[in-house]
Amino acid sequence: EVQLLESGGGLVQPGGSMRLSCTTSGFNFNNYAMSWVRQAPGKGLEWVSGMSNTGGNSYYADSVRGRFTISRDNFKNTLYLQMHNLRAEDRAVYYCAKDTGYHHPGDAFDVWGQGTLVTVSS
Amino acid sequence: DIQMTQSPSSLSASIGDRVTITCRASQSIDTYLNWYQQKPGKAPKLLIYGAYRLQDGVPSRFGGSGSGTDFTLTIHNLQPEDFATYYCQQTYSNLITFGQGTRLEIK
Repeated sequence: EVQLLESGGGLVQPGGSMRLSCTTSGFNFNNYAMSWVRQAPGKGLEWVSGMSNTGGNSYYADSVRGRFTISRDNFKNTLYLQMHNLRAEDRAVYYCAKDTGYHHPGDAFDVWGQGTLVTVSS
Repeated sequence: DIQMTQSPSSLSASIGDRVTITCRASQSIDTYLNWYQQKPGKAPKLLIYGAYRLQDGVPSRFGGSGSGTDFTLTIHNLQPEDFATYYCQQTYSNLITFGQGTRLEIK
């Protein structure tokens, strides 16, 4: 069974940093692009960042570019999102999502994790 | 960035009804359009990809159409489990964007 499990969320102060992890299993992680998508409380979905299967290409939404960094470890089958200079508006549930192809973007996100909540507050 | 606009933002329907949700892109995206269903407290679920291709395991009462800038999601014979929020998504651009969502409620 294909599974994605996010971790690393919690409470952080404005201006602080946090790293999210997405541990995967049940598929060949090396062969698929991956993305992070977030959802603020009561709001819609916002794509945050995506990375190709090799890690050679990465892309960011304007709202996080320069503050967030996506990375992956294909030996550990894990995707990461390093977040710096966090703002109140970054408060959201962060989902990792598996793409259907090896490049970004592929066709669609066919598997999602359960999400991890990031709260930015003093 | 490519803007995705869904309509309506919400709608009410009854069991057995047919409903249509539309999604418009701010520029042509060919058929790089996907539809997701999300229930409260749950992750989104892929329903339709490539504008009209049904994801494995999704009931055939769900259907998608369109190309270019205008797309539709149609649900025939609404079932209780279909009441949820639906999002369109474009993957034409490296900067992926979603529509704002359509909440489907029971009348």
